[in-house]
Amino acid sequence: SQQGEEDPQALSIQEGENATMNCSYKTSINNLQWYRQNSGRGLVHLILIRSNEREKHSGRLRVTLDTSKKSSSLLITASRAADTASYFCATEGSNYQLIWGAGTKLIIKP
Amino acid sequence: DAMVIQNPRYQVTQFGKPVTLSCSQTLNHNVMYWYQQKSSQAPKLLFHYYDKDFNNEADTPDNFQSRRPNTSFCFLDIRSPGLGDAAMYLCATSTQDRQPQHFGDGTRLSIL
Repeated sequence: SQQGEEDPQALSIQEGENATMNCSYKTSINNLQWYRQNSGRGLVHLILIRSNEREKHSGRLRVTLDTSKKSSSLLITASRAADTASYFCATEGSNYQLIWGAGTKLIIKP
Repeated sequence: DAMVIQNPRYQVTQFGKPVTLSCSQTLNHNVMYWYQQKSSQAPKLLFHYYDKDFNNEADTPDNFQSRRPNTSFCFLDIRSPGLGDAAMYLCATSTQDRQPQHFGDGTRLSIL
């Protein structure tokens, strides 16, 4: 089941620019996760942010979480062609499940 | 390297002909998941196992069944595939404490 929305649905930027994707969710969470999916491949976990954290970094990735607004953002700095992929946020549901956002398709133009 | 492996990567079957997709893991994770993903959509959970405990999503068609004979292997059986079952099928694993899920590269199923 899908809990939230991601925006934009698609994003096309020039290589070297920063890319920002947003995710909103509906219920209280313990953590929120971001995944990347390259075309025709499985999903790869990028970063997990806990509900008591506001910001987390991993290399060129920066994730923020605002629990009062029930929203999160993923920032990719200095984008590269290899960052072209779909990006999904996910929150934990009951019984070890993840509830997925609809995804943002990111295209990095050379 | 510890990983989740799905075979085959591409599977073609005929309308109504049973098909089995397989997944194996070397991570020794308790939980295994099967997802269906159609083009440009989020993964849709079909079912998951916590150890041998099977959990079926309410809207998973009866046509879909699963087996987990041991910790390492899990199978997805589609008894009578219809055209609407053409999709990418993803297997994933996680530990029991809600850590991130680890995905295989999926099996793309085509129905003729």
